Amino acid sequence: AQSVTQLGSHVSVSEGALVLLRCNYSSSVPPYLFWYVQYPNQGLQLLLKYTSAATLVKGINGFEAEFKKSETSFHLTKPSAHMSDAAEYFCAVTNYGGSQGNLIFGKGTKLSVKP
Amino acid sequence: NAGVTQTPKFQVLKTGQSMTLQCAQDMNHNSMYWYRQDPGMGLRLIYYSASEGTTDKGEVPNGYNVSRLNKREFSLRLESAAPSQTSVYFCASSEGVGAGGYTFGSGTRLTVV
Repeated sequence: AQSVTQLGSHVSVSEGALVLLRCNYSSSVPPYLFWYVQYPNQGLQLLLKYTSAATLVKGINGFEAEFKKSETSFHLTKPSAHMSDAAEYFCAVTNYGGSQGNLIFGKGTKLSVKP
Repeated sequence: NAGVTQTPKFQVLKTGQSMTLQCAQDMNHNSMYWYRQDPGMGLRLIYYSASEGTTDKGEVPNGYNVSRLNKREFSLRLESAAPSQTSVYFCASSEGVGAGGYTFGSGTRLTVV
């Protein structure tokens, strides 16, 4: 069965600092992996996705994520945080069975950016 | 370019009242979903419809019913609202299991008093 673990429910960084949001997955088959972002009082928006074409995936707003099969990880990074990056971020993996629909979501990580 | 449209955006209900949340997608997606989001709880799946004509329970289905009216529309009904159903509700759609991921609506903020 597939699952997703996001380490850290809250992460705080200073403006200009590196952003690192951690996501580990388990999957018995090659996964598709996604990061979604939710700005305050809005719906979830696709940030980037891994579909096996390339292990380093670039998304919107300067974010990128690297698929590491050996570590079963798909961490999200951004070299320099901006105030506008403050949001909640969700990692998700494709679900190939069970009663959870077609994606399994992590619990989310709320990113705060300090001036 | 609408994607997934949810109505209404805000609603206040009294305990015991009923209401239906509407969701429609224009991307010809096969699968549709209803989630609720509560502080500290992440997204929890209420019901989903893998394809037109089918619906299945998710993680938290009690107190809710759904109808997949056609391929475009998937509604969520609260028959007798309770304060515990105060939440933000999101509808989403996808082509199915694969690389497309989900497209989400903008949400309905429901308060039950």
